[in-house]
Amino acid sequence: EPEVTQTPSHQVTQMGQEVILRCVPISNHLYFYWYRQILGQKVEFLVSFYNNEISEKSEIFDDQFSVERPDGSNFTLKIRSTKLEDSAMYFCASSEGRTRSYGYTFGSGTRLTVV
Amino acid sequence: GNSVTQMEGPVTLSEEAFLTINCTYTATGYPSLFWYVQYPGEGLQLLLKATKADDKGSNKGFEATYRKETTSFHLEKGSVQVSDSAVYFCALSDREGGKLIFGQGTELSVKP
Repeated sequence: EPEVTQTPSHQVTQMGQEVILRCVPISNHLYFYWYRQILGQKVEFLVSFYNNEISEKSEIFDDQFSVERPDGSNFTLKIRSTKLEDSAMYFCASSEGRTRSYGYTFGSGTRLTVV
Repeated sequence: GNSVTQMEGPVTLSEEAFLTINCTYTATGYPSLFWYVQYPGEGLQLLLKATKADDKGSNKGFEATYRKETTSFHLEKGSVQVSDSAVYFCALSDREGGKLIFGQGTELSVKP
């Protein structure tokens, strides 16, 4: 069964450093998403991406965050200057758009720890 | 705005017990409803879904019925196993390809 692949599985970074989280969505999917889950809390939407542009973003997704699809297979989330409160599990997801029929497929997540 | 509310956890059951995890939603229009499961140390897996009123989603012995009159999508299983121990998330999407809005998650622990 096709998978969404995320790397790395765990990243530790110092406060103020830039991090890039990487995702390889399922190849025929057209919609891409990032979510985050702070430990013990709910899964929160960050951003969705379609047709090479952001289609929707949440209040959390401020100027410190950016997304990119640099090469037609990867989908990245960049945090420019990390804060302690950015420590969370970050999930990438993709869909082919017909989510009523096929839903969304999530990756296994990247645990980001900011120290 | 749209939102999802789940019953508080953790829920602790003995093996073969009956499970209900309550989920209610607030949404305009006709959202699609989902249950996702997160096993320890893993990502989110789609468990089941329903796309219109009175639809019943089912998978691996779990069921949930889309009840528009009560805006609910409660998850049930007749006989839980230790391997069902996980966190269960109810979620909705209000349009094709749109974002998922999650409930806070309910942790289930099944004891032998």
